[in-house]
Amino acid sequence: DAGVIQSPRHEVTEMGQEVTLRCKPISGHDYLFWYRQTMMRGLELLIYFNNNVPIDDSGMPEDRFSAKMPNASFSTLKIQPSEPRDSAVYFCASRKREAQYFGPGTRLTVL
Amino acid sequence: DAKTTQPPSMDCAEGRAANLPCNHSTISGNEYVYWYRQIHSQGPQYIIHGLKNNETNEMASLIITEDRKSSTLILPHATLRDTAVYYCIVRVAWAQGGSEKLVFGKGMKLTVNP
Repeated sequence: DAGVIQSPRHEVTEMGQEVTLRCKPISGHDYLFWYRQTMMRGLELLIYFNNNVPIDDSGMPEDRFSAKMPNASFSTLKIQPSEPRDSAVYFCASRKREAQYFGPGTRLTVL
Repeated sequence: DAKTTQPPSMDCAEGRAANLPCNHSTISGNEYVYWYRQIHSQGPQYIIHGLKNNETNEMASLIITEDRKSSTLILPHATLRDTAVYYCIVRVAWAQGGSEKLVFGKGMKLTVNP
């Protein structure tokens, strides 16, 4: 099994630009999660999907953030426009039974 | 979800067993104990979970006290690659309707020394 796949692994952009992070969950997992990790705030849940449907987006910080899951094998997290305070590591995870499996993360730097 | 308490850090010699403690004195009857770890620059990794019986898998063993107020994660033969932050989380199982939100506290930094 390839595990959760995220791309890109690193992204450096300038303030105001649009950023799109991508995630491919593990096949057969029906839950998908987006997290953000910073030194100050630790690991925060942003949004999660069940069977491609967004269930809880209460962790999304602002309207600048949006997430989609057009099919069971692909999800995106978009930030538009990006700001320096969005700099963080963004993790995607998928769940089966009682374990969440995390991807390697995307390290985002907004200048 | 019940609160957990872990020491901030611990050292262990390579090849020795690492015993990682966790206190959860307010745990409810339907809450499970989960362990995850995060190796530097990687995503968190699920290790093991249990309710009241001791559990073992290919990664570790989980020992839960009879009163369920504390538990110990045991890495039987620690290697340098086990150096990570370990998180003890207490929550209602997803299969029993627990919140999808997995809350990571500060965790405990385990350093395995050569």
